[in-house]
Amino acid sequence: DAGVIQSPRHEVTEMGQEVTLRCKPISGHNSLFWYRQTMMRGLELLIYFNNNVPIDDSGMPEDRFSAKMPNASFSTLKIQPSEPRDSAVYFCASSPQGRDSNEQFFGPGTRLTVL
Amino acid sequence: SQKIEQNSEALNIQEGKTATLTCNYTNYSPAYLQWYRQDPGRGPVFLLLIRENEKEKRKERLKVTFDTTLKQSLFHITASQPADSATYLCALQAGSARQLTFGSGTQLTVLP
Repeated sequence: DAGVIQSPRHEVTEMGQEVTLRCKPISGHNSLFWYRQTMMRGLELLIYFNNNVPIDDSGMPEDRFSAKMPNASFSTLKIQPSEPRDSAVYFCASSPQGRDSNEQFFGPGTRLTVL
Repeated sequence: SQKIEQNSEALNIQEGKTATLTCNYTNYSPAYLQWYRQDPGRGPVFLLLIRENEKEKRKERLKVTFDTTLKQSLFHITASQPADSATYLCALQAGSARQLTFGSGTQLTVLP
């Protein structure tokens, strides 16, 4: 298995531009999580999906952030418009069904820099 | 408010010694506690999980304890090696909720 796949690995953009991050979870996993990691705030949960349905988006910082999961094998996190304070590493993680222990498998992350 | 604290931000130990990392939490009643390892430029990798009714869990050179009275978990690496150098994160999960709340991590350096 290729594991969780994220693209792009690095993104540099200018303030005000739209940014779209992509994630392909591990096949058969029914939960998908988007996290943001910064030195100041650590690893924060932004939103998670269960069976493609958003369950908890309380961590999404502002309306500028949106996430979708159109099918079981693809999810996007969009920031529009982007701001310098959005600079961080964004991780996607997936978790298999039927386990209440919720071991999570993380992707390699997307390092976003907003100038 | 809920709070998770991991002992020092950085811990240096000599190769062969036992590394002990601490995770304390307040205003939280986790059903599960997990430990992850994160290397620079990579995503966290799951290591161990311990349930609230378990006192101790072992996996090879790793040992985790969970004291719900003290609201604390200890993570031990015995016979540490330079390859164990990484950041270690604890994460709490409440009941059937699938969300995890992560601590800020402890950066461990094992000196040869």
